[in-house]
Amino acid sequence: EAGVAQSPRYKIIEKRQSVAFWCNPISGHATLYWYQQILGQGPKLLIQFQNNGVVDDSQLPKDRFSAERLKGVDSTLKIQPAKLEDSAVYLCASSLRSAGGDTDTQYFGPGTRLTVL
Amino acid sequence: RKEVEQDPGPFNVPEGATVAFNCTYSNSASQSFFWYRQDCRKEPKLLMSVYSSGNEDGRFTAQLNRASQYISLLIRDSKLSDSATYLCVVIGEDSNYQLIWGAGTKLIIKP
Repeated sequence: EAGVAQSPRYKIIEKRQSVAFWCNPISGHATLYWYQQILGQGPKLLIQFQNNGVVDDSQLPKDRFSAERLKGVDSTLKIQPAKLEDSAVYLCASSLRSAGGDTDTQYFGPGTRLTVL
Repeated sequence: RKEVEQDPGPFNVPEGATVAFNCTYSNSASQSFFWYRQDCRKEPKLLMSVYSSGNEDGRFTAQLNRASQYISLLIRDSKLSDSATYLCVVIGEDSNYQLIWGAGTKLIIKP
């Protein structure tokens, strides 16, 4: 079974530039998550989609971050403009879930390592 | 108080020893609990779910203590390959099933 795909794997930009990340979840997974993981910390949920609807974006800095999941499959996360503190790994995960139990298991992509100079 | 707290470690443990660490959570209504493992510069991977009755998978045992609001992970006969960061995840019962991640406990197994 193919896993969660993410691209690019690495990105270096200067502050105030824009950047976009792409995620393709596991086929059939209804829920898609974007996380930000800063070195030495646990993943911080930025946004959660259920199909193509937003379930939780309470921790998404909406003045600079945006995300969409068109047609309930692929998703993109954009940062515009980037700040130094945005340097982190951006993880995409997907899960089957629409209810509790084992369907909550999240499968992660390899992440995109963003460095903002 | 953080919603999910873990001792960051590192726990330095000799190979073959038993090690245990906890994860405390603040929301008493939390319903689902998981342990994930994250190797250096890799993505997190599910290690095991934590059931109310506790569960065991080989050398790994996970337990839930609702009264004291913590989950635990016990690793027996530790191997060098167990070296990683162990993250706990707590999911609330609200309609959004909000996921809260701990910052992780770093484990280093020494030969």
